[in-house]
Amino acid sequence: KQEVTQIPAALSVPEGENLVLNCSFTDSAIYNLQWFRQDPGKGLTSLLLIQSSQREQTSGRLNASLDKSSGRSTLYIAASQPGDSATYLCAVLGGSARQLTFGSGTQLTVLP
Amino acid sequence: DGGITQSPKYLFRKEGQNVTLSCEQNLNHDAMYWYRQDPGQGLRLIYYSQIVNDFQKGDIAEGYSVSREKKESFPLTVTSAQKNPTAFYLCASSGQHSGNTIYFGEGSWLTVV
Repeated sequence: KQEVTQIPAALSVPEGENLVLNCSFTDSAIYNLQWFRQDPGKGLTSLLLIQSSQREQTSGRLNASLDKSSGRSTLYIAASQPGDSATYLCAVLGGSARQLTFGSGTQLTVLP
Repeated sequence: DGGITQSPKYLFRKEGQNVTLSCEQNLNHDAMYWYRQDPGQGLRLIYYSQIVNDFQKGDIAEGYSVSREKKESFPLTVTSAQKNPTAFYLCASSGQHSGNTIYFGEGSWLTVV
């Protein structure tokens, strides 16, 4: 059974800092990996999707990498802003049933 | 606008009652999902459907039921058999024409009183 782990569970940084969030998964047979943002009491917003054949994806200040063989992905946030404060979740799509398995998230606080 | 609509946003249920959460999408997605999220935890899959008139149990299906009579709609019923139903429920959908990116609704808060 696929398991997804995110470290750290919480992170607090000063504004302007670059930061990296980590995601690891146990079964490398995946179709894709997706990073989401969740604000308190809200649904999830898709940030980046990396197909299994890709190594990275970029959107603005965000860059996500995927190393399938080691079962790892990172989300890099450049020049962090207070508006980036949220919980970030990664999820992998895999298995014969094409199920999406989520990590428990990293709660990010960017201090002004 | 295209998207996923969940209703109601907030719902209170008395013990012993069944309640149904609505999920509608106009993205023309084949696959739809229901997740449960408890405070400070990740999402757990309740049920999913890859195509109309077909659905599969997820990791925590006990005490829940679904139907998929239309492509656009995937309602979730929380039955009285669900022992701890208070949670945040999220509906999602995905389609191959959008690269299998999964899109979420805004969620429904269910509280048992």
